[in-house]
Amino acid sequence: ILNVEQSPQSLHVQEGDSTNFTCSFPSSNFYALHWYRWETAKSPEALFVMTLNGDEKKKGRISATLNTKEGYSYLYIKGSQPEDSATYLCASHRVAGNKLTFGGGTRVLVKP
Amino acid sequence: GAVVSQHPSRVICKSGTSVKIECRSLDFQATTMFWYRQFPKQSLMLMATSNEGSKATYEQGVEKDKFLINHASLTLSTLTVTSAHPEDSSFYICSARVGQGASNSPLHFGNGTRLTVT
Repeated sequence: ILNVEQSPQSLHVQEGDSTNFTCSFPSSNFYALHWYRWETAKSPEALFVMTLNGDEKKKGRISATLNTKEGYSYLYIKGSQPEDSATYLCASHRVAGNKLTFGGGTRVLVKP
Repeated sequence: GAVVSQHPSRVICKSGTSVKIECRSLDFQATTMFWYRQFPKQSLMLMATSNEGSKATYEQGVEKDKFLINHASLTLSTLTVTSAHPEDSSFYICSARVGQGASNSPLHFGNGTRLTVT
C-alpha cells in the first residue's frame, strides 16, 4: 500500500450501537499514525497519535488499535451517540520528512 | 489551548484577482505551519510547509509562484492565491504543531477557507 486508505467511506449507525472502521497505511518506514475527528463547520480535532505496534488508545467511548507490521489501524466507537456524527480522518507519518498523508475519511452518521 | 484561527472562512473572487488567507496560532508559537487543499470528495492534500523566517517547502505539483506563502512570525502564516482561476476553487485549511513539535505530536487546524473563483 502506497497511499492511506480508509473504509468504508461512510456508514450509518443506529444510536446506541457500536461500530468500527479501518485505516490502511504503508507499513514501511512507519513513524506515527494520527486519528482526527472532523465535525461539520468545525476544524479537525486530534483524537490519537499512535506510534507503537500493538498500541491501543482510548478516549471516552472511542478507541483505536494499531498494527504497524501489516499497516492498519481500527477506530472503534462504543455505544454511538448523535454527537459522534463526524468525518474521521487518519493520517500516516513515515520516517523521512515532516509530512502527514491523509486518508479520504470515514463519514459517520449516528441516527437517533 | 492550541487554537488556530483562519480567515476568511469563505471568499468569492473574480478570475485574475489575488486572495490572501491568514492562519494564526492564537495561544502558542508555531515554527512550522502546513497548508492543505481539499477537492470535493477527496482527502486533504498537503500543498506546502510554511517555515518561520525562511522559504516554504512546496509539494510536487504545487506552483510556488501561484501559491505564495509567507511565515513572517511565529504566530502567522499567509497563503496568497495569485491570479486566481476557477480551477483554484477549493477548500484550503492550515494547521500547526505547538512549538517545534515532533511528528508524533498532533496537528491543530484552522476552520478552513472555502474559495470560489468566478
